[in-house]
Amino acid sequence: AQKITQTQPGMFVQEKEAVTLDCTYDTSDPSYGLFWYKQPSSGEMIFLIYQGSYDQQNATEGRYSLNFQKARKSANLVISASQLGDSAMYFCAMRDLIKAAGNKLTFGGGTRVLVKP
Amino acid sequence: GAGVSQSPSNKVTEKGKDVELRCDPISGHTALYWYRQSLGQGLEFLIYFQGNSAPDKSGLPSDRFSAERTGGSVSTLTIQRTQQEDSAVYLCASSGRSGAGDTQYFGPGTRLTVL
Repeated sequence: AQKITQTQPGMFVQEKEAVTLDCTYDTSDPSYGLFWYKQPSSGEMIFLIYQGSYDQQNATEGRYSLNFQKARKSANLVISASQLGDSAMYFCAMRDLIKAAGNKLTFGGGTRVLVKP
Repeated sequence: GAGVSQSPSNKVTEKGKDVELRCDPISGHTALYWYRQSLGQGLEFLIYFQGNSAPDKSGLPSDRFSAERTGGSVSTLTIQRTQQEDSAVYLCASSGRSGAGDTQYFGPGTRLTVL
């Protein structure tokens, strides 16, 4: 079974500063994908970034980067130059990439980020 | 292009009534998923459809829950004899082969309140 742990229930960050959101995972699957989603107060889940377990380089998407440490089973999200619009709930998720296991996402409990002006 | 759409956005019902929630996936996406988000349980997988294959129903919490996908596109999640613990936001997602890791894109959700 897969498990995702996000140990930070909430955090404040100053506008324009960087913030790191922790995510650790547990799986016995040899091939898996890690995802980060943002959920603003409006409720929609917005895909941010993806990292495959066999990817050699850490994923980056604009101001988002993923600090992937496979041996430590961690996939922390780094948001650089925080903006007020980054205030939201952030979820780490994973899925098994072997088709026979299905495509469902397993989510962590989320981290609420509040950006202060 | 258009994203995943869901209707209604909000639904208030009385305990014991049946409800139907609708999801319209991104055009061309072959996979469709239903999740539930509640305060106590976080985000939980409910059911997954892939093309014409038999759906993965492993996440459905009870036999009061069912879902169908007609014509490989629109899906309806039905909850019979609703209970107060069914109150949650029901999220639909879809994915296509071109997305990295078959990335799932979510709709805005349906907030269900059972009185």
